[in-house]
Amino acid sequence: GESVGLHLPTLSVQEGDNSIINCAYSNSASDYFIWYKQESGKGPQFIIDIRSNMDKRQGQRVTVLLNKTVKHLSLQIAATQPGDSAVYFCAEKFAGGTSYGKLTFGQGTILTVHP
Amino acid sequence: DADVTQTPRNRITKTGKRIMLECSQTKGHDRMYWYRQDPGLGLRLIYYSFDVKDINKGEISDGYSVSRQAQAKFSLSLESAIPNQTALYFCATSKPGATGGGGQYFGPGTRLTVT
Repeated sequence: GESVGLHLPTLSVQEGDNSIINCAYSNSASDYFIWYKQESGKGPQFIIDIRSNMDKRQGQRVTVLLNKTVKHLSLQIAATQPGDSAVYFCAEKFAGGTSYGKLTFGQGTILTVHP
Repeated sequence: DADVTQTPRNRITKTGKRIMLECSQTKGHDRMYWYRQDPGLGLRLIYYSFDVKDINKGEISDGYSVSRQAQAKFSLSLESAIPNQTALYFCATSKPGATGGGGQYFGPGTRLTVT
């Protein structure tokens, strides 16, 4: 079946460095790709999304890159801070046909930021 | 997200017991979802509801049932709990016609343990 997965389960960085979290997806028909952040004891929180017809989208300190040729998605966090420590999930969304816009989540990457 | 609340936050129950998890939202969203999260895995969809009269099965609906009592309330029931239903359960909401990305707002989760 279709799936969304992550290359690396953990990532450790120093405060102030840039972080890159990667994700591979398999459903080329997905309309949107989304990144969520989940802090300990909390539900996932929307960070940023990108439509399938885009290659890059920037937010506040975050950039998402989409490479449809190799079905790869990445989240870049600039000047990583200790508060960025969390589990990051990628998800893909297909809104076509009778679909409600189902989200398929990847496994998650644990980001640890060291002071 | 304080706009989506879940009760209880933690529950320990025995095999064979009936359990109900409740979700309430003040976001005014029509769409509501129940997910479960297991260690090392992403979120998997159990049930979803587009509006009060609409209920749909997700990926892993076996052993679960839901009730949409009102636009703001969506309950998940385990009719006869079993140990492999031990997991973290999340409720989420989204706007109608959310063909765009993101847009799912998650509650804080309910940690359920079945002994």
